[in-house]
Amino acid sequence: NAGVTQTPKFRVLKTGQSMTLLCAQDMNHEYMYWYRQDPGMGLRLIHYSVGEGTTAKGEVPDGYNVSRLKKQNFLLGLESAAPSQTSVYFCASTRDFQETQYFGPGTRLLVL
Amino acid sequence: AQSVTQLDSQVPVFEEAPVELRCNYSSSVSVYLFWYVQYPNQGLQLLLKYLSGSTLVKGINGFEAEFNKSQTSFHLRKPSVHISDTAEYFCAVSDPRINQAGTALIFGKGTTLSVSS
Repeated sequence: NAGVTQTPKFRVLKTGQSMTLLCAQDMNHEYMYWYRQDPGMGLRLIHYSVGEGTTAKGEVPDGYNVSRLKKQNFLLGLESAAPSQTSVYFCASTRDFQETQYFGPGTRLLVL
Repeated sequence: AQSVTQLDSQVPVFEEAPVELRCNYSSSVSVYLFWYVQYPNQGLQLLLKYLSGSTLVKGINGFEAEFNKSQTSFHLRKPSVHISDTAEYFCAVSDPRINQAGTALIFGKGTTLSVSS
């Protein structure tokens, strides 16, 4: 059981470039989340999904898009990266949205 | 809307000393409460949780927390800390009344625990 995995672990982008972050879980969870973590601001929810084929906006969705084509995968896309998107990105999943969330190891993104 | 306040952003302590990390939430109804720990360069992992029942909850690594409904608090404690407990700790609250997955779980901003010898 790998739990929640994230790819890549670290990436450097130039302003305006695009990229996709991949999150995969092998626990058959319905709910998946993307957060960003910035110093002093804790975790902020970007987008989430309540099941395959569904996505919804969280607290800070601007500049990001997501897709959940398969139940086990949740992709986060940056179409045109900006320095303000420099952050650590965490994916999480859960069986019950009011219960324990299981987190991936994170992706560190630096946008120059 | 729910909110979670972690009263200390940084807590420095010496090894083998006791520690308390404070968490208050804003709700007059029953909620679910969680403490997560994040070790350096890692993701968050669950330390302990309160859903119902006994107000004293025991978690991993010798941590425990006490749910106090009247004071709307869920403080985390450990009687004797180790260097390896150095990490960031997040309190989170979930309101069972909310059936919207995007707003059900709210995190505090975190407390950095630094244990030195």
